[in-house]
Amino acid sequence: AQSVTQLGSHVSVSEGALVLLRCNYSSSVPPYLFWYVQYPNQGLQLLLKYTTGATLVKGINGFEAEFKKSETSFHLTKPSAHMSDAAEYFCAVRISTGGGNKLTFGTGTQLKVEL
Amino acid sequence: DTEVTQTPKHLVMGMTNKKSLKCEQHMGHRAMYWYKQKAKKPPELMFVYSYEKLSINESVPSRFSPECPNSSLLNLHLHALQPEDSALYLCASSQERIADEQFFGPGTRLTVL
Repeated sequence: AQSVTQLGSHVSVSEGALVLLRCNYSSSVPPYLFWYVQYPNQGLQLLLKYTTGATLVKGINGFEAEFKKSETSFHLTKPSAHMSDAAEYFCAVRISTGGGNKLTFGTGTQLKVEL
Repeated sequence: DTEVTQTPKHLVMGMTNKKSLKCEQHMGHRAMYWYKQKAKKPPELMFVYSYEKLSINESVPSRFSPECPNSSLLNLHLHALQPEDSALYLCASSQERIADEQFFGPGTRLTVL
């Protein structure tokens, strides 16, 4: 079965520091991977996705992620954190079932940005 | 229009009430989804509609009844809910291809008294 694991339920960084949020996947077939962000009391917004092709994926708000097949990882990074980046981040994998395509989420990482 | 809208934003209901949540999109997406999200948890898939037909039901209790009247609208009818059903209910839509992302609405915050 395909799944994702997010290491670290809480990550705290200083403003201006590197952001690194970890996601590892488990899949017997090439995965379709996504990172979503959720601000308090809001829906989820897509940051970026990996389907095929280039393994370094650039997203919105300065975020990027690199698909590493050898490490089964899809970690999210941002060179310089901003206060507005404080939110919940979810890694997800899209899987195909007999009934349709499903999105399975990791448990989430709460990012805190401190002055 | 790249937006998924949901109404109402907040809903408080008693355990004997009947209410409905509404979701709308005008992006031409043919797949629509209902998720339930408890605090500090990831969204849990409830239902998937594909071309207006229910294609996935994740063993959701019958007190939740989905409906897809047309390709732009998705409803979730609620009846005889329990306090543990209090949560944020998210609607999403997407194209049918597996590589396509889902677009999420802002959610309805439901409280069952």
